[in-house]
Amino acid sequence: SYVLTQPPPVSVAPGQTARVTCGGDNIGSKSVHWYQQKSGQAPVLVVYDDKDRPSGIPERFSGSHSGNTATLTISRVEVGDEADYYCQVWDGSGEHPVFGGGTKLTVL
Amino acid sequence: QVQLAQSEPEVHKPGASVRVSCKTSGYIFSDYYLHWMRQAPGQGLEWMGWINPHSGATNYGQMFRGRVTMTRDKSISTAYMFLSRLTSDDTAVYFCAKEIGTTNAFDFWGQGTKVTVSS
Repeated sequence: SYVLTQPPPVSVAPGQTARVTCGGDNIGSKSVHWYQQKSGQAPVLVVYDDKDRPSGIPERFSGSHSGNTATLTISRVEVGDEADYYCQVWDGSGEHPVFGGGTKLTVL
Repeated sequence: QVQLAQSEPEVHKPGASVRVSCKTSGYIFSDYYLHWMRQAPGQGLEWMGWINPHSGATNYGQMFRGRVTMTRDKSISTAYMFLSRLTSDDTAVYFCAKEIGTTNAFDFWGQGTKVTVSS
């Protein structure tokens, strides 16, 4: 089964840029989706198909991927961006989604 | 607007079963797959399975096969997740989520249903 690896917690000051990575074998060949989950709430889709944003998601959220790593970049970080971030791809062989373990973003 | 409204929290003893409902509105129920995920306390998201609301076809995660059943009632645009033989490891928040349609991402989620298994 396909495995996605996310790094330990990330800390950033307000106004700075945060980068959350997601590692997977040849992840560059897959469509990667990113979710934001604030404490006690359901996840919210912030980026899909590597770099597209759903309606209502600020342009500060962007995605990219290449080789074995996908990256969610949050520019001009705000206190309200503090959350857990999960990457997700589709495992075609098993016909099911796969989630990374999540990365906690702390805004100092 | 699209909404997925889940049933209330539940508390069960080990060995019991639970049914969680997901009532949808604001879109054509039969047109988009629904998935169920769960999240144990302090842990990440775990996929449990999906249902095709149009046909009723399902695909369950290997960890849950034999214990989980997903159904739907098209007349009331509602999906159900039934989990049997509960253990303390099943204590979690259970989410339903709608596929976006053009890709296998989830654009709308239910609010979550907390299921507690305790003797």
